[in-house]
Amino acid sequence: KAGVTQTPRYLIKTRGQQVTLSCSPISGHRSVSWYQQTPGQGLQFLFEYFSETQRNKGNFPGRFSGRQFSNSRSEMNVSTLELGDSALYLCASSMTNWGYGYTFGSGTRLTVV
Amino acid sequence: SQELEQSPQSLIVQEGKNLTINCTSSKTLYGLYWYKQKYGEGLIFLMMLQKGGEEKSHEKITAKLDEKKQQSSLHITASQPSHAGIYLCGADNQGGSEKLVFGKGTKLTVNP
Repeated sequence: KAGVTQTPRYLIKTRGQQVTLSCSPISGHRSVSWYQQTPGQGLQFLFEYFSETQRNKGNFPGRFSGRQFSNSRSEMNVSTLELGDSALYLCASSMTNWGYGYTFGSGTRLTVV
Repeated sequence: SQELEQSPQSLIVQEGKNLTINCTSSKTLYGLYWYKQKYGEGLIFLMMLQKGGEEKSHEKITAKLDEKKQQSSLHITASQPSHAGIYLCGADNQGGSEKLVFGKGTKLTVNP
């Protein structure tokens, strides 16, 4: 079966712009979580959606937002981009809203210049 | 919330050598996951440990969860260049908002 698909794979944006990243989970998976990965901070949790509802949110500013659609696909948006937002953004899907059974996508590499 | 500390941060070994990566938790581990990541790619699930004293193997990689469930180790036997990458431990978070917390990773280089 198809894995978790993240688009686009690479993105270059200018400071102040906004960006939208997409994540298509494995068919049947209803939970999607987003993580930001940087060399200094490692993997940091952004938010988690389950059945179109945001269940948890990490410690990120309000410029970071997300949503989940009825088909479980999820998008995250970052507005007013800063240089420090440059990172690999990973999404993971699972059937339930537990940690077990996470499958990660290949990520979107965002570079802010 | 829970914190995971991995050691060492990086490791360079000669092909054929054995190596061990450790993951220590600030709280009791109820579910411990090992992932491997190639640079700039997603995380590939290796194995999950839940019970104290549990040990699992996949090909030449063995992971253990200690009896007290606060530390896990990942052991690679007869390393190969294909083992190179970043190894991350993750745990079911106790007392925090996110489902999984991760260590900062161990970068493994295997020289032929």
